[in-house]
Amino acid sequence: DTAVSQTPKYLVTQMGNDKSIKCEQNLGHDTMYWYKQDSKKFLKIMFSYNNKELIINETVPNRFSPKSPDKAHLNLHINSLELGDSAVYFCASSRKVRTSGTSYEQYFGPGTRLTVT
Amino acid sequence: AQRVTQPEKLLSVFKGAPVELKCNYSYSGSPELFWYVQYSRQRLQLLLRHISRESIKGFTADLNKGETSFHLKKPFAQEEDSAMYYCALHSGNTGKLIFGQGTTLQVKP
Repeated sequence: DTAVSQTPKYLVTQMGNDKSIKCEQNLGHDTMYWYKQDSKKFLKIMFSYNNKELIINETVPNRFSPKSPDKAHLNLHINSLELGDSAVYFCASSRKVRTSGTSYEQYFGPGTRLTVT
Repeated sequence: AQRVTQPEKLLSVFKGAPVELKCNYSYSGSPELFWYVQYSRQRLQLLLRHISRESIKGFTADLNKGETSFHLKKPFAQEEDSAMYYCALHSGNTGKLIFGQGTTLQVKP
């Protein structure tokens, strides 16, 4: 199946631990994103990479570090986890924005539910 | 400031009733707006975008620049329309989407 996949689907861990979430897309897209959905279902962008280059870096704590080994993968590493990091993290991908500035549809992964205890 | 506002957290209607999910935006340039939908236990997916001006699953949305709105409408709601709906604004030229708070549509039989 062509899609955006994320692992793991669920992640339960204790405060202070370090964890990673992986994302892969086989749609041939150049751009990948990480979004955070909080307990109130509010979705906010965190990072975006275009062809392994960081292009969006929102106001996110330094404990969060994205890594893109190639344009099909975008991983999210989180250090020293805190209770407030509990959320659902969505990966997405899309074709690169057109030179005119208009964008393409973003394809989302199934989400990773992170619970920090 | 660039912002998307969906004033209703929950909209509950009966099957066959008209539906309007409200979305207002704040953006200094020419806006590019989308509606994304998340059905229960499914991933977020694009429903429609204002540029294409198409109707998907009976839903339409018209961009009103004067009122800075992009409301989603359907004349006759179906039970399978029950889902979380997000209005989103494309900001800049990086693909960044600014989402509204989301509206849960509940269609009762």
